[in-house]
Amino acid sequence: EAGVTQFPSHSVIEKGQTVTLRCDPISGHDNLYWYRRVMGKEIKFLLHFVKESKQDESGMPNNRFLAERTGGTYSTLKVQPAELEDSGVYFCASSHGLTRTDTQYFGPGTRLTVL
Amino acid sequence: QQQVKQSPQSLIVQKGGIPIINCAYENTAFDYFPWYQQFPGKGPALLIAIRPDVSEKKEGRFTISFNKSAKQFSLHIMDSQPGDSATYFCAASSLRAAGNKLTFGGGTRVLVKP
Repeated sequence: EAGVTQFPSHSVIEKGQTVTLRCDPISGHDNLYWYRRVMGKEIKFLLHFVKESKQDESGMPNNRFLAERTGGTYSTLKVQPAELEDSGVYFCASSHGLTRTDTQYFGPGTRLTVL
Repeated sequence: QQQVKQSPQSLIVQKGGIPIINCAYENTAFDYFPWYQQFPGKGPALLIAIRPDVSEKKEGRFTISFNKSAKQFSLHIMDSQPGDSATYFCAASSLRAAGNKLTFGGGTRVLVKP
């Protein structure tokens, strides 16, 4: 079974540009999460989809970030326009359900560098 | 404000030693405490998890100790091996809250020398 995949693995852009990150969850997983780790700090929650619906977007830093999950399959996270402080590693995770201890499986991350 | 504090930031031990990583939390609503292991170039992977109704859980060479009154929990790696060299993250979530979002500690880089 394929794991969570993310594309691209690395992205280097200049301040003011737009970047779109993609996440393909494990097939059949209804829950999809986005997290971010900035400058070696803690991994922080950004948002959570259940199928195509946003369940919780309390961690989204500001309106420059837009996440979508059309059709309840893959998800995209767009940053527009990118700022220097957006640099970091963006992780996607998926889980099958919301049972008490449902494991979140993480992708390898996208390392975003904003110059 | 960091809700889960993890220490130390890095740790070096000799093979066979017992690295210990400590975490403390503030939110009493947390009731699920997983540990994740991350190797370079990979995403974090669930290693072991504990609920607050038990004080200790062992899986192979990995042991979690949990102190509910102190709101602290720790990971011990028994008989550590060079292959255990990785970054370890503690995390917490509230299974009663919608979504099961994870709140992570800052991570600990563990290096096990041969």
